[in-house]
Amino acid sequence: AAGVIQSPRHLIKEKRETATLKCYPIPRHDTVYWYQQGPGQDPQFLISFYEKMQSDKGSIPDRFSAQQFSDYHSELNMSSLELGDSALYFCASSYDGLAGLSGYRTQYFGPGTRLTVL
Amino acid sequence: QKEVEQNSGPLSVPEGAIASLNCTYSDRGSQSFFWYRQYSGKSPELIMSIYSNGDKEDGRFTAQLNKASQYVSLLIRDSQPSDSATYLCAVMDTGRRALTFGSGTRLQVQP
Repeated sequence: AAGVIQSPRHLIKEKRETATLKCYPIPRHDTVYWYQQGPGQDPQFLISFYEKMQSDKGSIPDRFSAQQFSDYHSELNMSSLELGDSALYFCASSYDGLAGLSGYRTQYFGPGTRLTVL
Repeated sequence: QKEVEQNSGPLSVPEGAIASLNCTYSDRGSQSFFWYRQYSGKSPELIMSIYSNGDKEDGRFTAQLNKASQYVSLLIRDSQPSDSATYLCAVMDTGRRALTFGSGTRLQVQP
């Protein structure tokens, strides 16, 4: 079965540089989520999109922005990178359909992008 | 206080034994609960989802939900060394498209 695709898998940047992470959801999934997982920590929710509109925001820094495109893929843009941004970044997708916010949606995670800021 | 609590472990069990992992959550309105398995440096892999009180079984895995007591558990029968991983309990935020994770329980299955 098709899974969530993330690119690149590894990324090395210098402080103050920018980075763009891409996510391609499972076909027919209409919702995309982004999570950040620092070393030894649990995944922290950053932002989600439903049908190409921003749905919810979590602990996403103002330096980060994201969007979901017409083909449902999503990009996370990170600017003025800091050492503390070094982490695994996961994208997940789900199919909400007509279930709405009360629905029982299951999120499937991509393999992640490991970002290292030097 | 973290909204989703798990014992960090490590929980060590012998091969073939039953591993029991527990999780408590603070949001009484939560309706969707998930167990993910995560190997070091890898992405969370869905093990079980549960939405109703009671037990849900899938192969060697059984999830249990008690909304009145606000806890969810995962039983792994006939534990294998390959089950050694961190198990993350996740709760769907009420009215939001977002998961809140516990800190995870590290399981070690001894051959």
